[in-house]
Amino acid sequence: ETGVTQTPRHLVMGMTNKKSLKCEQHLGHNAMYWYKQSAKKPLELMFVYNFKEQTENNSVPSRFSPECPNSSHLFLHLHTLQPEDSALYLCASSQSSHYTEAFFGQGTRLTVV
Amino acid sequence: ELKVEQNPLFLSMQEGKNYTIYCNYSTTSDRLYWYRQDPGKSLESLFVLLSNGAVKQEGRLMASLDTKARLSTLHITAAVHDLSATYFCAGHSGTYKYIFGTGTRLKVLA
Repeated sequence: ETGVTQTPRHLVMGMTNKKSLKCEQHLGHNAMYWYKQSAKKPLELMFVYNFKEQTENNSVPSRFSPECPNSSHLFLHLHTLQPEDSALYLCASSQSSHYTEAFFGQGTRLTVV
Repeated sequence: ELKVEQNPLFLSMQEGKNYTIYCNYSTTSDRLYWYRQDPGKSLESLFVLLSNGAVKQEGRLMASLDTKARLSTLHITAAVHDLSATYFCAGHSGTYKYIFGTGTRLKVLA
């Protein structure tokens, strides 16, 4: 596997369910990100981790809980979501030096019913 | 807080024509990125612009950066159908924050 891998690619969950999204990067990067992409809003930055430490929580509701056990893995734990949380969730990674772009995974298409 | 705006939001153009997508940002961003997203796919990096006056070209796409005007442009030359996609610009806020514009959905008509 190369690049940034996200699983699952598609997820349908009820509002009372608990599920997790997984992201793994094989690029040797030290920063990882969760973004939300919905039809109504541009790419919204949710969380940033650098060397496993959370450096940004962009006022995300507590029903979204990130976890970064090491620099290669990032999880997004979901519980009691709302239908408006249905979106494409994108994981990205970057090298936290100055001049590099972020590399994105394929995303998880989440539908909350 | 850095804000990034793109225009137009939608662009429908004929094959063979030229057009420019504009990206304005609100505060200092010492680097600017352009990405492409195909429907149902992830974001693919196109250009990284690191300094004022930077210009990069790849095929029919050329990107430039004017940090004084807080403006980046993505110019499309002689568009072809394969360029149909959504294009995003992104600025950098702090060390680890990539802030994206609203995207420009480009459709190239045969």
